[in-house]
This record gives sequence, C-alpha cells and structure tokens, in this order.
Amino acid sequence: ENVLTQSPGSLSLSPGERVTLSCRASQSVTNSQLTWYQQKPGQAPRLLIYAASRRATGIPDRFSGSGSGTDFTLTISRLEPEDSAVYYCQQYGTSQYGTSVTFGGGTKVEIK
Amino acid sequence: QVQLQESGPGLVKPSQTLSLTCRVSGSSISTGSYYWSWIRQFPGKGLEWIGYIHHNGNTFYNPSLKSRITVSIDTSQNQFSLNLESVTAADTAVYYCARRAGVTKGSAFDIWGQGTVVTVSS
Repeated sequence: ENVLTQSPGSLSLSPGERVTLSCRASQSVTNSQLTWYQQKPGQAPRLLIYAASRRATGIPDRFSGSGSGTDFTLTISRLEPEDSAVYYCQQYGTSQYGTSVTFGGGTKVEIK
Repeated sequence: QVQLQESGPGLVKPSQTLSLTCRVSGSSISTGSYYWSWIRQFPGKGLEWIGYIHHNGNTFYNPSLKSRITVSIDTSQNQFSLNLESVTAADTAVYYCARRAGVTKGSAFDIWGQGTVVTVSS
C-alpha cells in the first residue's frame, strides 16, 4: 500500500498569506496520479488539483499543485476566508497486487 | 450537470450486510471512461477507498475489503450499488459514491455524492 503522509496536521493563518501543504508518499506515485481535494464541514470532498498540477474546472488560480515521485505540494497563494477547510491528497496506482487508491490524513487550514 | 445520490439504511446491525445504492443523474452511466466508486469517511475523518466498477462490469476492490464487498451496476436504472458483508462497528462511516475519471484526468474522483451516514449498532 502506498501510504500518504500529509504535513502539517493543521495550521492557522491570516487572509492574504501564502500556504504550502505537503504530501509525501511511501512509494513513487505512478505517472503523477496525485490529486488534491478540499473538504468543508458537512460537505463531500471537492476536487481541486488532478495529475499533480492541473486545476479542476472552476478552481481559482490561487490554488496550484506541484511535485513528482514521492513529494507533492499544494500551494494557496493568497488565502481567502472561504479557504478554511481540510485538504486531502490521494494517489492512484497499479501493481501486481492490484489497484491501489489511498488518501492522506489531511491538513486542516484555519483562517484567523 | 452530473449528480450522484446515495440511498440506503442509516442503521445496520452487526454481522449483517450493508447495502447502498447510488443513482446517477445528468448523464448515462454507460458513457465515457469512468469508474463508479464507493469511498467512506470514518468518524475520525480518514478517507478509505472501497472499490469501483466500470460500465463494462469490471470491478476493482480495496484489497483490505475485497473478501467482504461486492459492487454492481444496473445500466438500465443508471445506478450502481455496494454490498458490504459481515459489518462491525468499525464499518460505521459516511459512505460516498463518486465518479473516477480516466488516467488522462489523473484518475481523480471528480464528482461526489453528498454522502450517507451508516451506523453499525445493535
């Protein structure tokens, strides 16, 4: 199983600040099949970034993703109050053992 | 636009089978290179992929759950279903259905249902 470790676990920042969230995989993520989601309380996760760096439809350009192999980051360039949420990374891969889909434990972002 | 809606009992007794259905609206479940998926979120907020199915009937399951799960599809009803056998309290979670896009879209879960709470308790 490809274990994803997200850091930090939580952080509190002010509007307008820049934040970088980390997602580290225990094994290389095949073909950068790494996705980021945003989840607000009481809601389903929402797709933000797919294929490590491609913004999903309708996602503001203050969200960006980067990375390859085992190290990936999600950056929010200028925090807005509505960015308060938990952010999850997720990977997809295949091996001789079958399909592997795993999620990170999440990073909670609080806006002061 | 494409929407997904889960349905099923909110309370299941231990050792019984949890059965959920996801109805797809706004698009045919039989078109495109999508995989129709089940994902759950535990009370501590961790997310776990359960499995998914293609409209051709091919299924892919989480190895840790494979012995207990069946995902099926009914293209005539534009819906797909989950059966999870021999449930315990550890299966208590919010269950989501979701659409998984193809590899060119990063194999991302791009559309999610609102989720349904399932509690396993006697």
